[in-house]
This record gives sequence, C-alpha cells and structure tokens, in this order.
Amino acid sequence: DSGVTQTPKHLITATGQRVTLRCSPRSGDLSVYWYQQSLDQGLQFLIQYYNGEERAKGNILERFSAQQFPDLHSELNLSSLELGDSALYFCASSVAYRQGTGANVLTFGAGSRLTVL
Amino acid sequence: AQSVAQPEDQVNVAEGNPLTVKCTYSVSGNPYLFWYVQYPNRGLQFLLKYITGDNLVKGSYGFEAEFNKSQTSFHLKKPSALVSDSALYFCAVRARTGYSTLTFGKGTMLLVSP
Repeated sequence: DSGVTQTPKHLITATGQRVTLRCSPRSGDLSVYWYQQSLDQGLQFLIQYYNGEERAKGNILERFSAQQFPDLHSELNLSSLELGDSALYFCASSVAYRQGTGANVLTFGAGSRLTVL
Repeated sequence: AQSVAQPEDQVNVAEGNPLTVKCTYSVSGNPYLFWYVQYPNRGLQFLLKYITGDNLVKGSYGFEAEFNKSQTSFHLKKPSALVSDSALYFCAVRARTGYSTLTFGKGTMLLVSP
C-alpha cells in the first residue's frame, strides 16, 4: 500500500456521462498530481494541485476539471465522456512543492480504470 | 519542452542474464531523472533517481542506472534478471530550474523468461 488512495478502482459508464474520481494523498503530502495512462498516449500529466491551489496544467481537456479540498483530497471530474477517455487515471502525491524540491519523489495510487462504452 | 524517449517497447531477457532498459531525455539545463516500475494492476513505484554527484545511481531491488550527460541518457540496468522483474518500466525527467512537471516516457515492457 503506497498510502495514496484512489476510488473507485473500476468504473464503467456510457458516452456523454460524467464521472468523478477521488484521491486521498499520502499523509503529510501537500501536492496532488493527476495522470492519464492509455495504450497509445502513455502516461500523460493532466494537472497538479498544491495545498488547494492549481499549480500546473498539462494535457487536460476542457471537459475535465479537478480540485483539491481543504482536507487535501482531490477530485478529478470528467464530463461529456467519449470512448477515447477510456484509460487508467492515476493520482500521485508528493511532500511539497517549492523551488528547489524538484527531486521530490511522486507516490502513486493504484489508479482508477475508466471504461466508456 | 522536456521529453523522454524509451526506444524499445519491449525488452526480452533470460533469467540470470544482465538487463538494460534504455532512456534518453531532452530538457533545458541539468535534469532530475527517475525510474519507476509498474506491475500489473498496480500503480507506479519509485525505483531510483539521479540528483547530482556519482553518475551511477543504485536503487531498489538491485537496479541501478547510469547518467551520461554527453549522451543525454539514463539507462536502467541490473546485473542478473529475475522473472519477478517482469513489469513495465518508466523513465521520467524534470528540469532543475523554474517550475517543471515530471515528464514520463512511454514505458518499456521487460519480460524475463525462466
């Protein structure tokens, strides 16, 4: 157990629907990252939050949004789902972000597998 | 923009033989470099990282990686492969200056045969 908890583990839904993926970071970690893993695109960075604030945005679609709550858990919202959104979504956390801590190791959760039919 | 290339989709090696999983990177300035491993139905697990100093970095499970600045490479190695090493391996890079996210390669599947 990495200490990063993701729910649900598996989710099957239909095109056009909306889902929410949840992540609880490892105790003491302030930064949360979301990644999408698919066979053709590999591991793509979506978005990062640090202590409730958005810090970096990657290849995240406008149909997707995320937030980090005061208790530091984070949610990734995926709407108007398309077949191509089927993927494994990972949450990762790290101790902190500030200048000079780029060597921080990310700790990953087990992922949420989304299947859009 | 920073990027990572893992030129081999799959590496096959017999148990007991040495293994190498290749990684080259592109980043502005000096890099932080990482290797992660993903076992089936699991999240990524940290193996090792290069920060500074000795170009040969030792990590978990007997793995090591060699940083070569002139070749912009960070190949993962192990002297003697185990069947249990079979997994998906990811190389990742982050720039040292400014704010930079962690960029992963597409991964290399390592298959160790008995």
